[in-house]
Amino acid sequence: EAGVTQFPSHSVIEKGQTVTLRCDPISGHDNLYWYRRVMGKEIKFLLHFVKESKQDESGMPNNRFLAERTGGTYSTLKVQPAELEDSGVYFCASSQGWASTDTQYFGPGTRLTVL
Amino acid sequence: AQKVTQAQTEISVVEKEDVTLDCVYETRDTTYYLFWYKQPPSGELVFLIRRNSFDEQNEISGRYSWNFQKSTSSFNFTITASQVVDSAVYFCALSEANYGGSQGNLIFGKGTKLSVKP
Repeated sequence: EAGVTQFPSHSVIEKGQTVTLRCDPISGHDNLYWYRRVMGKEIKFLLHFVKESKQDESGMPNNRFLAERTGGTYSTLKVQPAELEDSGVYFCASSQGWASTDTQYFGPGTRLTVL
Repeated sequence: AQKVTQAQTEISVVEKEDVTLDCVYETRDTTYYLFWYKQPPSGELVFLIRRNSFDEQNEISGRYSWNFQKSTSSFNFTITASQVVDSAVYFCALSEANYGGSQGNLIFGKGTKLSVKP
């Protein structure tokens, strides 16, 4: 069974440009999460989809970030326009259900560098 | 407020040594879940264990063992007879149960980088 995949693995862009990150969850997983780790800091929650609906987006830093999950399969996270402080590693995770016993499985992350 | 503290930023040991990674958490909820994830050099976070707040039994899985103590709000992770392949960053995380028992998002510590030298 394929795990969570993320694309690209690394992106380098200039301040003011737009970048779109993609996450493909494990097949059949309704729940999809985005997290971010800024250099030297903790991994922080961004948002949670249940199928195509945003269940919790309390962690999204500002309106330059837009997440979508059309059709309830893969998800994209767009940053527009990117700022220097957006640099970090963006992780995606998925879980089959939303019960307390469900485990979140993580992808390898996308390392974003904004110059 | 919820918080996870991993006070050890980096640990270096020689192969076959035992090593304990510390994790202290803060939460006001009575129902919560604790996790350990491993991040090898390849980058992905690999799930190791989940423990709920009502189960204080220690767990052993091969060379790995976990000590959960609610009295000290700690969930420490011990690797016995460490191996070079154990070199990774290890993250402790906390999740509080939402209304109805569903899982909340994960709150991570900063991670502990473990280097095991041959």
